[in-house]
Amino acid sequence: DTGVSQNPRHKITKRGQNVTFRCDPISEHNRLYWYRQTLGQGPEFLTYFQNEAQLEKSRLLSDRFSAERPKGSFSTLEIQRTEQGDSAMYLCASSLEKGEAGYTFGSGTRLTVV
Amino acid sequence: DQQVKQNSPSLSVQEGRISILNCDYTNSMFDYFLWYKKYPAEGPTFLISISSIKDKNEDGRFTVFLNKSAKHLSLHIVPSQPGDSAVYFCAASPPYNFNKFYFGSGTKLNVKP
Repeated sequence: DTGVSQNPRHKITKRGQNVTFRCDPISEHNRLYWYRQTLGQGPEFLTYFQNEAQLEKSRLLSDRFSAERPKGSFSTLEIQRTEQGDSAMYLCASSLEKGEAGYTFGSGTRLTVV
Repeated sequence: DQQVKQNSPSLSVQEGRISILNCDYTNSMFDYFLWYKKYPAEGPTFLISISSIKDKNEDGRFTVFLNKSAKHLSLHIVPSQPGDSAVYFCAASPPYNFNKFYFGSGTKLNVKP
């Protein structure tokens, strides 16, 4: 297993466009998380899935954001009508049922909205 | 509202000496804490954790100390090595909820050879 994989690594988009990121977790991990990290800050929780069920969403996740995890495998995070404030690193992580051993993070997708 | 704070954005230490990274939190309900290490262009990597029932946890060169009354934890690295140069994040979670961690803003450690 090669760990948590995120694609693309970098995305530059014009304001108002829609973007979609993909995350492939470690295969045996049933929990998947999305975090956002802006410059000079630590990661901020966005949402998490247990298998295919999205169990919690942060209020940071506005109506323009949607995440899915069909069949409990890979996940996608879509941002509609991007704004400059959406520019950030979007991190995906996965873990086993009990995450006290910590998550395994992917390398992230860096989004730049111009 | 920053519930986990790392007030030192950077720290420089000589190789072989001790590195001490500090973290403060405001929510007394937090009862599980982790440290992550992050190299450039990579995601954070889990380093070490501590539960609130303990005040110390050790793993090789890394030791985390927890002072619940002061709402303070620290990560000690002894001896520091150049390969330890990275950004270190502390993170905290509420009881029985490992699904959402609150992260500090990170401390960039530079270990000089």
